[in-house]
Amino acid sequence: DAKTTQPNSMESNEEEPVHLPCNHSTISGTDYIHWYRQLPSQGPEYVIHGLTSNVNNRMASLAIAEDRKSSTLILHRATLRDAAVYYCILSDMRFGAGTRLTVKP
Amino acid sequence: GAGVSQSPSNKVTEKGKDVELRCDPISGHTALYWYRQSLGQGLEFLIYFQGNSAPDKSGLPSDRFSAERTGGSVSTLTIQRTQQEDSAVYLCASSLNQRTTYGPRDEQFFGPGTRLTVL
Repeated sequence: DAKTTQPNSMESNEEEPVHLPCNHSTISGTDYIHWYRQLPSQGPEYVIHGLTSNVNNRMASLAIAEDRKSSTLILHRATLRDAAVYYCILSDMRFGAGTRLTVKP
Repeated sequence: GAGVSQSPSNKVTEKGKDVELRCDPISGHTALYWYRQSLGQGLEFLIYFQGNSAPDKSGLPSDRFSAERTGGSVSTLTIQRTQQEDSAVYLCASSLNQRTTYGPRDEQFFGPGTRLTVL
């Protein structure tokens, strides 16, 4: 079973920031936190990953709580192409149902 | 090709028949993963290969499922005596280096999947 919990769905307006939360209260000290997303009719694609410190890349930012029991994926300006299912997973690579993000124009 | 490829893209079979699904990882990637995704569900981990060996088979749902990898490259997932509940999209992913205790050292690149329908 997945060790992460995420909201089933979220909505955002285009060009606004989006904060996608993830809880992983049973995370171990060696677990990385990974985020992938799956666009409609495609395989998942890597977004970002981190261990303790916040991470930034060209796609998104990852904010990790100090106790590492939760994290937040931040899309700074949502576009229609960001509409997808976003998965937060730990090192065991067990995917849950993810969060379906809808972006409204 | 530049990415992970899978074949066939679609497979329709009758209950009780055997099927083979193929995955061609990105050249040079030593780690290979199989997942399946039922309609409207998240991904379910099946098996992980490092080279030709499979240190983690814990996700295979039954002994009807098996997988092999040859030459550190192509992998085949075989489902024997298919059942209707096996209907799903089967996804393959590869990454450059091995999975460690800390999880994949590198990002996984996913193929487009094989949609399996068991009638």
